[in-house]
Amino acid sequence: SQTIHQWPATLVQPVGSPLSLECTVEGTSNPNLYWYRQAAGRGLQLLFYSVGIGQISSEVPQNLSASRPQDRQFILSSKKLLLSDSGFYLCAWRTSGGAETQYFGPGTRLLVL
Amino acid sequence: AQSVTQLGSHVSVSEGALVLLRCNYSSSVPPYLFWYVQYPNQGLQLLLKYTSAATLVKGINGFEAEFKKSETSFHLTKPSAHMSDAAEYFCAVSESGGTSYGKLTFGQGTILTVHP
Repeated sequence: SQTIHQWPATLVQPVGSPLSLECTVEGTSNPNLYWYRQAAGRGLQLLFYSVGIGQISSEVPQNLSASRPQDRQFILSSKKLLLSDSGFYLCAWRTSGGAETQYFGPGTRLLVL
Repeated sequence: AQSVTQLGSHVSVSEGALVLLRCNYSSSVPPYLFWYVQYPNQGLQLLLKYTSAATLVKGINGFEAEFKKSETSFHLTKPSAHMSDAAEYFCAVSESGGTSYGKLTFGQGTILTVHP
């Protein structure tokens, strides 16, 4: 069966510090991968998606970037965090094509102080 | 472009009462529609999805939803609420077609409270 992991689970970082959040998927090949952010009291906003290694599409301009160095690894990064980057970050995967369901990881809670 | 509107950011029901969470969507092509549930500090779990087959979709935990094209709605219902149903619920839409890459657009969410 497929599983998705995210780490760390919780992170407290000072403004201006770098960020690296990692997401890995097991039990599938060539998945579509997604990063979402959920800010307090708001819905989920799609940040990035990837349909293959090295292929990243950004949905909103922002202080963050994403990379996919391996087939089942998706990384969310920032060089300098802003207060507004605080939120709950969710990674998701799905089998490419059709009406396949997106499956979500457990999330990373980021607090920027 | 696609969008989702969830009517009511908070819904409160008594245990055993009907649960009705409303979702309206906008999509320029035939949509795929999803309902997810989120418990505090956890990821999202799929409840059910509509993918152009039967318009009445049954999901996990006794939930179901009906796709009504004429009303552009996909409301979530459960005949009898349980305390364990207390959570936040998200409706999402994805456009059919290869160029959408399965991207989901979410509603703002509805927090369901269940009173004993």
